[in-house]
Amino acid sequence: EPEVTQTPSHQVTQMGQEVILRCVPISNHLYFYWYRQILGQKVEFLVSFYNNEISEKSEIFDDQFSVERPDGSNFTLKIRSTKLEDSAMYFCASKASGRGTGELFFGEGSRLTVL
Amino acid sequence: ELKVEQNPLFLSMQEGKNYTIYCNYSTTSDRLYWYRQDPGKSLESLFVLLSNGAVKQEGRLMASLDTKARLSTLHITAAVHDLSATYFCAVEGTASKLTFGTGTRLQVTL
Repeated sequence: EPEVTQTPSHQVTQMGQEVILRCVPISNHLYFYWYRQILGQKVEFLVSFYNNEISEKSEIFDDQFSVERPDGSNFTLKIRSTKLEDSAMYFCASKASGRGTGELFFGEGSRLTVL
Repeated sequence: ELKVEQNPLFLSMQEGKNYTIYCNYSTTSDRLYWYRQDPGKSLESLFVLLSNGAVKQEGRLMASLDTKARLSTLHITAAVHDLSATYFCAVEGTASKLTFGTGTRLQVTL
């Protein structure tokens, strides 16, 4: 069964360092997302991406965050200068089709710990 | 802004009992999802509800959707310990983004 894969599964970094989280969406999917979940809290939307551009982003997704699809298979989330409050589980998700159709598939998540 | 509220936040129940988790949302939506999450794990899709009156069942779990009341329920029948997890509802909005509820942590005791 096709799946969304994410790397690394866990990353520990120092405050102020740059972090890149990687995702390989399901191959025929066109819509890509990043969500995050701070420990013990609900899942929060960060950004959606379609046709090589951001479709929508939340207030959390400030100038420190960026997304990219560099090579047609990977979908990355970069945090330029990490803060303690960026510590969370980051989930990538993908979907074959747009609003009201298709099913959203989540990856296993990347746990980011900022010290 | 779409808001999604779940209750209860925490539910402790004995094996064999029935209970319902409620999910209210604030604006019209195309679809509603229910997910299960085990500690430290990803989100496992349980149900996707597409239309008013939709009802889906899988094992001891049954989900329903009332779009007029903007309410979805997840009913647990004769709970077993293996159902212990956190359950989230999520409502699809613009750009297909999901807005999640706060989650219901279910603990089924033997």
